[in-house]
Amino acid sequence: EAGVAQSPRYKIIEKRQSVAFWCNPISGHATLYWYQQILGQGPKLLIQFQNNGVVDDSQLPKDRFSAERLKGVDSTLKIQPAKLEDSAVYLCASSSTLRQTGQYFGPGTRLTVT
Amino acid sequence: GESVGLHLPTLSVQEGDNSIINCAYSNSASDYFIWYKQESGKGPQFIIDIRSNMDKRQGQRVTVLLNKTVKHLSLQIAATQPGDSAVYFCAETPTDKLIFGTGTRLQVFP
Repeated sequence: EAGVAQSPRYKIIEKRQSVAFWCNPISGHATLYWYQQILGQGPKLLIQFQNNGVVDDSQLPKDRFSAERLKGVDSTLKIQPAKLEDSAVYLCASSSTLRQTGQYFGPGTRLTVT
Repeated sequence: GESVGLHLPTLSVQEGDNSIINCAYSNSASDYFIWYKQESGKGPQFIIDIRSNMDKRQGQRVTVLLNKTVKHLSLQIAATQPGDSAVYFCAETPTDKLIFGTGTRLQVFP
């Protein structure tokens, strides 16, 4: 079974630029999550999708972050404009049902904002 | 701040010894807990989970213990191997959200 795929793996941008990350979840997983993981800390949930609908985006900085999952499969996370404090690893995860199987994480995209 | 987060608690063990990683969770309403392993450059990987109606669950070489009285979770790894070197996170679910605790870095030396 293929895992969660993410691209790119690394990205370096200057502050005020924009950036987008892509995620392809495990086939058949209806729930998709985006997390931000700052160096040395645990992942923090940014947004959760159930199919193509948003379940929870309470911790997404909506003035600069946006995410979509138009067809209920792949998802993109965008930051515009980026700030220095956005430097982190952005993890995508998917699950069929959180409580039954746990979430499966992708390898993440490491973003450096200079 | 980020500088504080860089100083992860670290557990150093000799190969073959048992490891015990501890975690204090915050929400008494949490009813499901998961341990994740995160190797460098990779996403967290599910290790084992436990529901609040249990106090112990065993997997292959791993055991999770739950003490709801003091809101404490531990992960025991038997016969620790070099491949166990990673950062370990516990996570709790007070609602449907997964909330990660502070990680612990496990270093295994020969």
